[in-house]
Amino acid sequence: RKEVEQDPGPFNVPEGATVAFNCTYSNSASQSFFWYRQDCRKEPKLLMSVYSSGNEDGRFTAQLNRASQYISLLIRDSKLSDSATYLCVVKGLYNNDMRFGAGTRLTVKP
Amino acid sequence: GAVVSQHPSWVICKSGTSVKIECRSLDFQATTMFWYRQFPKQSLMLMATSNEGSKATYEQGVEKDKFLINHASLTLSTLTVTSAHPEDSSFYICSAPWGSNYGYTFGSGTRLTVV
Repeated sequence: RKEVEQDPGPFNVPEGATVAFNCTYSNSASQSFFWYRQDCRKEPKLLMSVYSSGNEDGRFTAQLNRASQYISLLIRDSKLSDSATYLCVVKGLYNNDMRFGAGTRLTVKP
Repeated sequence: GAVVSQHPSWVICKSGTSVKIECRSLDFQATTMFWYRQFPKQSLMLMATSNEGSKATYEQGVEKDKFLINHASLTLSTLTVTSAHPEDSSFYICSAPWGSNYGYTFGSGTRLTVV
């Protein structure tokens, strides 16, 4: 079983749609959680950290369920510019203990 | 915010040659630098962790004699792929942690093609 699992997609949605990505992780001792965005042939960029209470940043909402070891990302009112691969990232106690999911590819179409 | 500058962005080299990739932290001191490799449609895989002034720590299965890492200063870490082979063709990317919960800042990546 992979340490961080994501639905690879692709998700093809029309502009304005709401789309949700899920991620599960296997290490119950994981400490920090993030969503990164990676454009084709580019480096990953931090989209948002994920907090236990859930957090929102504009059209993006992240949720964490520690009991189920599950993280989600909700994108509302999708824009063409949201097209990218979204990486679920889980960090353990140490700085080098950072594990990436394979990513979920999103394409937003006009 | 913290910026990591990575060079070159892409490189094509012949089999058997060596390639050096540099990552510089521009506005902060990176005592630690992580080196990842990403094959197409796969996740980033940690190769090694470099620490300024000490030997790098390699992940299981990564040949330390093939992937030479140097972290001689607080702003520069290098990865040298020695005697490169076509199977080493990949996207190599460095990353440094900053802040307690800001995640990591990544270099722009190096696409290596060995022919």
